Amino acid sequence: DIQMTQSPSSLSASVGDRVTITCRASQSLSSYLNWYQQKLEKAPKLLIHATSSLQSGFPSRFSGSGSGTHFTLTISSLHPEDFATYYCQQGYSTPWTFGQGTKVEI
Amino acid sequence: QVQLVESGGGVVHPGRSLRLSCVASGFTFNSYPMHWVRQAPGKGLEWVTLISYDGSKKSFADSVKGRFTISRDNSKNTLFLQMNSLRIEDTAVYYCARGVIPYSAAGSGTDHWGQGTLVTVSS
Repeated sequence: DIQMTQSPSSLSASVGDRVTITCRASQSLSSYLNWYQQKLEKAPKLLIHATSSLQSGFPSRFSGSGSGTHFTLTISSLHPEDFATYYCQQGYSTPWTFGQGTKVEI
Repeated sequence: QVQLVESGGGVVHPGRSLRLSCVASGFTFNSYPMHWVRQAPGKGLEWVTLISYDGSKKSFADSVKGRFTISRDNSKNTLFLQMNSLRIEDTAVYYCARGVIPYSAAGSGTDHWGQGTLVTVSS
């Protein structure tokens, strides 16, 4: 199974900060890496598909990059509504696996 | 718009069975792979199982293999998760989710999720 390691597991930031979350895979994923946003244990929402495709409804301050085994999610300027938990997930091979999550707190 | 509505959760004793359902609307159900993902209380997301758009391919997490089965009734736009031999560690909110890419085995990601149904396994 492919192991996904996210870092950090939590971070404290202020409105306006630039935030970067990293996800590393135990083997190459090509570009089959997704990011999800989850608020208060409601259903997760797909934020970025296939490494860098920002989903509709999310602002352009969110971006994704990477390839192979190393991927990043960047929030260029943190807004109050961005405080949430973010998960990476590999869709390269089954069983799909998620990172452990990064909680972004004030 | 796309809607996924899960049902069937509840409290069950260890070793017993439960069947979850997920009714889909707002899209062509038989064109998309479907998944179940769970989240134990206070924990992260765990992928459980998938079924391809036509039901020909299924895959399971090691933690549920041999105990859970997935199926779909494309005539009723409904996804099922049959959970047997339930364990305390199966306690979680179970979400059904749609694969991103139609006519694919897995979909590469999941772009629509239901609200979840809580399964509690307790003696």
